[in-house]
Amino acid sequence: DAGVIQSPRHEVTEMGQEVTLRCKPISGHNSLFWYRQTMMRGLELLIYFNNNVPIDDSGMPEDRFSAKMPNASFSTLKIQPSEPRDSAVYFCASSLGRGTVLNTGELFFGEGSRLTVL
Amino acid sequence: GNSVTQMEGPVTLSEEAFLTINCTYTATGYPSLFWYVQYPGEGLQLLLKATKADDKGSNKGFEATYRKETTSFHLEKGSVQVSDSAVYFCALSVPWTISNFGNEKLTFGTGTRLTIIP
Repeated sequence: DAGVIQSPRHEVTEMGQEVTLRCKPISGHNSLFWYRQTMMRGLELLIYFNNNVPIDDSGMPEDRFSAKMPNASFSTLKIQPSEPRDSAVYFCASSLGRGTVLNTGELFFGEGSRLTVL
Repeated sequence: GNSVTQMEGPVTLSEEAFLTINCTYTATGYPSLFWYVQYPGEGLQLLLKATKADDKGSNKGFEATYRKETTSFHLEKGSVQVSDSAVYFCALSVPWTISNFGNEKLTFGTGTRLTIIP
């Protein structure tokens, strides 16, 4: 079975440019999570969706960040305008989601998108 | 609220040494507990899990026992290999149920970097 698929794997851009990161969760998973990982802050949850609806976006750093999930098989994380301090590895993860008897809370992570903002 | 405290790193051991990485937690409800591993340049992947008290999770020679009385989930391996060099994250999740309205977000520890020397 395919795992969580993220693209691009690497992105280098200049300050002020728009960045869009993409994620395809595992088929049948109802919850999707975006995390950011840096050396300074470790792993931070940015936002998570359940059944395509944003449930908790308290981790989104500021208005420059936005996330959407237009359908069950696709999500985007957008940064506009990007800044050097946004440089990090961004992970998408999915899980079975709320109300699922078999759901133990396990997350399945993608391989990450490494963003470098110059 | 929910929190996870794990051993500060980095940890450096010689090959075939015994490994313990401590993890304690605070949670409302009945959490599931996880150890995730992140190899260099990769995303996090589940190493092992336990969903109720006294359960023992095991995988690849690693073990951890869910100790409710001490609120701990320490990771152990009897004989480490160079290939075990990675960052290890302890995490918990309180799965959503109708009765507890638990937040299914995974709460991660800060990670422990493990390096094994030949």
